[in-house]
Amino acid sequence: GIQVEQSPPDLILQEGANSTLRCNFSDSVNNLQWFHQNPWGQLINLFYIPSGTKQNGRLSATTVATERYSLLYISSSQTTDSGVYFCAVRRRGGSARQLTFGSGTQLTVLP
Amino acid sequence: EPEVTQTPSHQVTQMGQEVILRCVPISNHLYFYWYRQILGQKVEFLVSFYNNEISEKSEIFDDQFSVERPDGSNFTLKIRSTKLEDSAMYFCASSSESYEQYFGPGTRLTVT
Repeated sequence: GIQVEQSPPDLILQEGANSTLRCNFSDSVNNLQWFHQNPWGQLINLFYIPSGTKQNGRLSATTVATERYSLLYISSSQTTDSGVYFCAVRRRGGSARQLTFGSGTQLTVLP
Repeated sequence: EPEVTQTPSHQVTQMGQEVILRCVPISNHLYFYWYRQILGQKVEFLVSFYNNEISEKSEIFDDQFSVERPDGSNFTLKIRSTKLEDSAMYFCASSSESYEQYFGPGTRLTVT
């Protein structure tokens, strides 16, 4: 199956700093989603971005499908940004629609 | 904005008991999924459901698991005889013809 690798596994920032999280995947995809898992365990959908660039407030994401990676940018980080960030993909081709998740990046934003 | 809902938010059960986890997907969605996340690990796919039948399932989804869409709104996951290793967060998701999946808030299952 498709492999999804996220880096870094852990990231500690001071409030106000910027960060970049990376997701590499091993095959062509036609779905890529970024999620934030909050302290209550809920998965918050950040972006649906199989290709291109999107922005939502302080967060933006870019997927370069031809090079098989996606980046999530967090600017002016806040303590509420803390949590685990997951990338999940669906391999292009075939009928299966399930997502394969990476292992996540644990982000801690210090006040 | 429509959302996926799940009940209960937390379920505690004894080993060997049956549990049913419930989900209400977004109303016009066609594809339904269950995922699970063991504490501290990544989210894993269990099963997908389309047109009233299972379309894909993972190795985890063995004979002790079953899914059902008993009416036009609910989507359930049943675990027949729970084991300690079934303790996890279980997420329901749904999607329309688009590949984007919308996740529910999860049910935390604790097996004692």
